[in-house]
Formats: sequence, structure tokens, C-alpha cells
Amino acid sequence: GQQVMQIPQYQHVQEGEDFTTYCNSSTTLSNIQWYKQRPGGHPVFLIQLVKSGEVKKQKRLTFQFGEAKKNSSLHITATQTTDVGTYFCAAGAGSYQLTFGKGTKLSVIP
Amino acid sequence: SQTIHQWPATLVQPVGSPLSLECTVEGTSNPNLYWYRQAAGRGLQLLFYSVGIGQISSEVPQNLSASRPQDRQFILSSKKLLLSDSGFYLCAWRSAGGTYGYTFGSGTRLTVV
Repeated sequence: GQQVMQIPQYQHVQEGEDFTTYCNSSTTLSNIQWYKQRPGGHPVFLIQLVKSGEVKKQKRLTFQFGEAKKNSSLHITATQTTDVGTYFCAAGAGSYQLTFGKGTKLSVIP
Repeated sequence: SQTIHQWPATLVQPVGSPLSLECTVEGTSNPNLYWYRQAAGRGLQLLFYSVGIGQISSEVPQNLSASRPQDRQFILSSKKLLLSDSGFYLCAWRSAGGTYGYTFGSGTRLTVV
């Protein structure tokens, strides 16, 4: 089945620093989604990217979908302690299911 | 608005005991429903998904089973729990068209002792 590799597994940043997590696939993706899971919580949908080269922004978060639709990134500008959590990418494999990456756990040092 | 309910929130069960976790969705019809397991706070493993009543697809072999007796009800079961069944179980739904993200329930933390 579809597999997505997500890096890094862990990231520790000082508050105010930027953060980026990457998601890569060996195959072309129909779409990619991003989720955030706060410690002790459940994953929450952030955004879906569908088009080649697509860039979407949500306040300090910038999401990109690669031109070849095989990779994606999530960039957070000037991290805050509220950004703490694990960020997952999830690749579309048809309309029924998603394949999740293993996630990047972000720690923000105040 | 659509809501998803999952219970119980936490569960401690002895090895060999049965399991039944329930998930219900409100405010939508004919949703795609999913059961995921998350071990050690990392990674989401798809266990089962369903696109309609009585239709269950299994993704991994295990001693778990799923059922969908009603359109908006999804149940995860086991006849005899193993220690390796411990984990965080998440139910999720998505519209049948599949154009939006998953909405997850709040999860059940299962500890098998």
C-alpha cells in the first residue's frame, strides 16, 4: 500500500524559532492532508492539499505540495508553546482511506 | 453540525477478557467510518474501515473485529484481549465523497494487564 515517510521524528525548538516537517512518498499522491495531535489528545484535521505546487497558509502555518505531488511540507513561523504536539501528514489512496506518516513531535522550549 | 462520540475514554482489561468499543456519529448520513490504533503515542495504524452498514474492510490481521450494525455506529470488538492490544484506539469519520479530512473521536486508552 501507499507509504509516506515523515521527517524529522522529533524537533525541539526555542520559542520564536521556525519549524518545518517534511513528508515524502515514492509514488504520486492524489492528495495530502495534515493533522495536529496535542499531547494526550486526538488528531485534528488542519488542511488538505490537492493541486501540484499548491501552497496554503493558516496564520503562521504554511503548507506546500510538491510539483510532482510526491512530497509536502508544513512550516511554522515563530513557534509558540501552543504549537506543541505531533504533526502528521496523511496521503490519499483513493477515496476510502488515508495512510498516515509516523509524525513529527514538536517541543517548544519557552 | 456533525459530532462523533467514542467511549469509554479509558479502559483497563485483563488478558483474555472481551472488548467492545463503540463509536457513533451524529449529523451526517452514510459516513465512511474508521478504527485506528496508536501505540506508544506515535503512528496511526488503520485497523478497519467501513463504507456502509455491514461492510467492513480489515487492514491488518489481529484478534480484533469490527461491525457496523447501523449507519452511524461502528463497534470494535475482541473475544480475548492480548497484552499487545494495549494502545490508544481512535474512531474517525469522513464524508462518503472523501473530499474532506477525517474527524476523530476523543479516543479510548486501553491497557491490557
